[in-house]
Amino acid sequence: ETGVTQSPTHLIKTRGQQVTLRCSSQSGHNTVSWYQQALGQGPQFIFQYYREEENGRGNFPPRFSGLQFPNYSSELNVNALELDDSALYLCASSFGRSNYGYTFGSGTRLTVV
Amino acid sequence: GNSVTQMEGPVTLSEEAFLTINCTYTATGYPSLFWYVQYPGEGLQLLLKATKADDKGSNKGFEATYRKETTSFHLEKGSVQVSDSAVYFCALSDNNDMRFGAGTRLTVKP
Repeated sequence: ETGVTQSPTHLIKTRGQQVTLRCSSQSGHNTVSWYQQALGQGPQFIFQYYREEENGRGNFPPRFSGLQFPNYSSELNVNALELDDSALYLCASSFGRSNYGYTFGSGTRLTVV
Repeated sequence: GNSVTQMEGPVTLSEEAFLTINCTYTATGYPSLFWYVQYPGEGLQLLLKATKADDKGSNKGFEATYRKETTSFHLEKGSVQVSDSAVYFCALSDNNDMRFGAGTRLTVKP
């Protein structure tokens, strides 16, 4: 059983650029959630996808968008990057309801300069 | 809305000391509660969970009991090891998404 894999592991972008982060969910999982973790803080919920539809969203602006594909993998897109977007972006997968707990990937470290 | 508050760190202990990391929550319904652990450079790993009041989650010597009356889910371990050094996150889930506390950094010294 493979876990959650994220790519790339590290990324440096310039302010104003756009970025796409990718996530492959654990085998058998149909729900993907994305989190932003700033240095020294807890993960902040960005949004969740269930069966290719957005299933909840945190307090993030519309320039944060996502997709989920038929194989349940997912992308996080961020437009018009700002310096404050520098963080570790975590993807987590689960089967349906989150009450069973999530499996997290190792994250993508995004640095905006 | 739902939220989690956990004790601020960092926490520094000697090996074999007793550990308690406090966590309290605010929720409108009946959430599930979790503790996750994050080692340097890695994602979060599920440590233990409890899905209803009075449940006790346990794993690797860590324990936490879901206390509805005090809205708490404190993490405990009787004898910590150097390898337990990590950041610990308390979290709650209400079927829609999972909310995390700010994390508590634990350092265990030999």
